[in-house]
Amino acid sequence: EVQLVESGGGLVQPGRSMKLSCAASGFTFNNYDMAWVCQAPKKGLEWVATITYDGRSTYYRDSVKGRFTISRDNAKSTLYLQMDSLRSEDTATYYCARLPEGHFDYWGQGVMVTVSS
Amino acid sequence: DIRMTQSPASLSASLGETVNIECLASEDIYSDLAWYQQKPGKSPQLLIYNANSLQNGVPSRFSGSGSGTQCSLKINSLQSEDVATYFCQQYNNYPLTFGSGTKLEIK
Repeated sequence: EVQLVESGGGLVQPGRSMKLSCAASGFTFNNYDMAWVCQAPKKGLEWVATITYDGRSTYYRDSVKGRFTISRDNAKSTLYLQMDSLRSEDTATYYCARLPEGHFDYWGQGVMVTVSS
Repeated sequence: DIRMTQSPASLSASLGETVNIECLASEDIYSDLAWYQQKPGKSPQLLIYNANSLQNGVPSRFSGSGSGTQCSLKINSLQSEDVATYFCQQYNNYPLTFGSGTKLEIK
């Protein structure tokens, strides 16, 4: 059974950093591109970042470029999102998702990130 | 960026009815479209990919159609467990973009 379990969320002050993790199991992690998707409270879904199966290529939405870094450790079957210079508008639930051919076929349960002083 | 315009924003229908949700892309996305269902307090779940392919385990009352700039999701024989918000998503080009969602309720 495919499982994606996020961790690392919480309350953080504006301008500070936070790192999210996503532990994957039930599939061959290094065969799949992976992504982070966020959802602000009571809002829609927004793609944040993608990393290819081998970690060689990454893609980001404009609003997080230069502030967020997606990475992966295939030996540990774990996906990461390093979030720096956080802003109040980054407040959202962040989902880790598996990304075969551009659509998200499995999602984690999500982790809440609140950016507030 | 490809803009995805989803309609209606909300929908109320009776049990057993058929409902349709539309998604209009600002440019040609071929068949690179997926539909997701998100129940209250839960993560999204994939229903349809490649515009009309049913994800494993999804009931056959869900179907997708269309290509190019217009796609739709049809739900036949509406059930109480279909109460959710539905989102479309294009993956023809980065940035990956979603529609704004359709909230489905039972009358």
